[in-house]
Amino acid sequence: DTGVSQNPRHKITKRGQNVTFRCDPISEHNRLYWYRQTLGQGPEFLTYFQNEAQLEKSRLLSDRFSAERPKGSFSTLEIQRTEQGDSAMYLCASSTRDGVSATNEKLFFGSGTQLSVL
Amino acid sequence: DAKTTQPNSMESNEEEPVHLPCNHSTISGTDYIHWYRQLPSQGPEYVIHGLTSNVNNRMASLAIAEDRKSSTLILHRATLRDAAVYYCIRIYNQGGKLIFGQGTELSVKP
Repeated sequence: DTGVSQNPRHKITKRGQNVTFRCDPISEHNRLYWYRQTLGQGPEFLTYFQNEAQLEKSRLLSDRFSAERPKGSFSTLEIQRTEQGDSAMYLCASSTRDGVSATNEKLFFGSGTQLSVL
Repeated sequence: DAKTTQPNSMESNEEEPVHLPCNHSTISGTDYIHWYRQLPSQGPEYVIHGLTSNVNNRMASLAIAEDRKSSTLILHRATLRDAAVYYCIRIYNQGGKLIFGQGTELSVKP
C-alpha cells in the first residue's frame, strides 16, 4: 500500500495557461475525491467519482475545471485558462465504499499539488 | 455548510492530555462524527469516528455527549508530532463527501 499519490507536487504557471494534475488512488479504492484548499481554510469539496462515474460536482467547479477518471483508476483534474484565484492546494483522496452507508467510510488523502498562478 | 463549531486554536504542553471540543447542536440521529487532522504540508488524515458511544483507538479517544450535540477529541499525551489542524466533521448516513470547517489549530509546546 503506497498511499494516494499526486503529481506534480508543485506547479507554477502563468495566468491563462492550462494545467493538469494527476491522482493515483490506493489500488482497491472505488471512490476518488478532489478538494481544494487555500491558506488558513479547510479543504473545499470539488467533485467525486465512484469507479469511473462522476457522481457529484460542487458549484465551486466552474466550467474551466474538468475531472476524469477513465477506467476507474487514476484521475486527472484539468484547469483551463488559469486565473490567479485558482492558486491553491489541490488535494485528492480515495476510499472504499460499500453500499450507500457513509458512516464508516474513511478517506485517505494525498499530499496535494500546490498550484501557483502568476 | 460544515455545521460544526470548533475553537480556532488551542495550546497544549507536551506529555499532557488535550481535549479538543466540537459543537454540532443541529446533528440528526443518524449523523456520525468523524475527526481528521492535517499536519503541516500534508493532506488530512483520519483520526477517529463515532455515533453515540465513546470510542478509543491507538491515536485518540472520542467522547460524545449524551445529547450528541457536542463531542470531544482526547489526545491522552500530546507530542510535538500532534501539532496539526483538527477537523470535526458530521457525516450524513447517506452522504458521501466530507464537509470541512476551519478546524482547530493545535500547537504543542515542549
